[in-house]
Amino acid sequence: LAKTTQPISMDSYEGQEVNITCSHNNIATNDYITWYQQFPSQGPRFIIQGYKTKVTNEVASLFIPADRKSSTLSLPRVSLSDTAVYYCLVRRNFNKFYFGSGTKLNVKP
Amino acid sequence: DVKVTQSSRYLVKRTGEKVFLECVQDMDHENMFWYRQDPGLGLRLIYFSYDVKMKEKGDIPEGYSVSREKKERFSLILESASTNQTSMYLCASIPGRGGETQYFGPGTRLLVL
Repeated sequence: LAKTTQPISMDSYEGQEVNITCSHNNIATNDYITWYQQFPSQGPRFIIQGYKTKVTNEVASLFIPADRKSSTLSLPRVSLSDTAVYYCLVRRNFNKFYFGSGTKLNVKP
Repeated sequence: DVKVTQSSRYLVKRTGEKVFLECVQDMDHENMFWYRQDPGLGLRLIYFSYDVKMKEKGDIPEGYSVSREKKERFSLILESASTNQTSMYLCASIPGRGGETQYFGPGTRLLVL
């Protein structure tokens, strides 16, 4: 199993950059690293996915070191609406998604 | 936009009842998944289907079965509901076998009394 480990919770303030790190020591060669965001009473929503180095889209960046045993999701200048649970997962093939337990991000005014 | 819908947002059933959870996606996706989500445990895969009438067990299939008679619809069945099946159930779909991401439905919160 490609187990992922991430902090249970984090606090931040509006306007700050938030970095959430996930460890995935058993990642395999062809696995991808994916992050999802989930609000209460909703299904998870895709944020970003990467294989190595750095990936950036309009909402986040994903940093993956050369050994790929960890990854860091970076959210620039968070707002109150970014308060949510963030899941790190390893994707293996098209049908295996190994979810972590999630990090509850609390953004304060 | 891809839309994945689930038949109920909240459901209350009694122990021993047969429970059907329905999921429909409107984008002709090949692959569909059922997860359950519990506090501290994240999402755990129950079953997935890669084609009509095709299914494979996930990590926790015990006590569940599934049905996929049409491409757009994937049903999760609890043959005899038990209290330990009280949970949030999430359906998801993926177009094919490439690097696409999963699209999730809003979830069904099931309470078994």
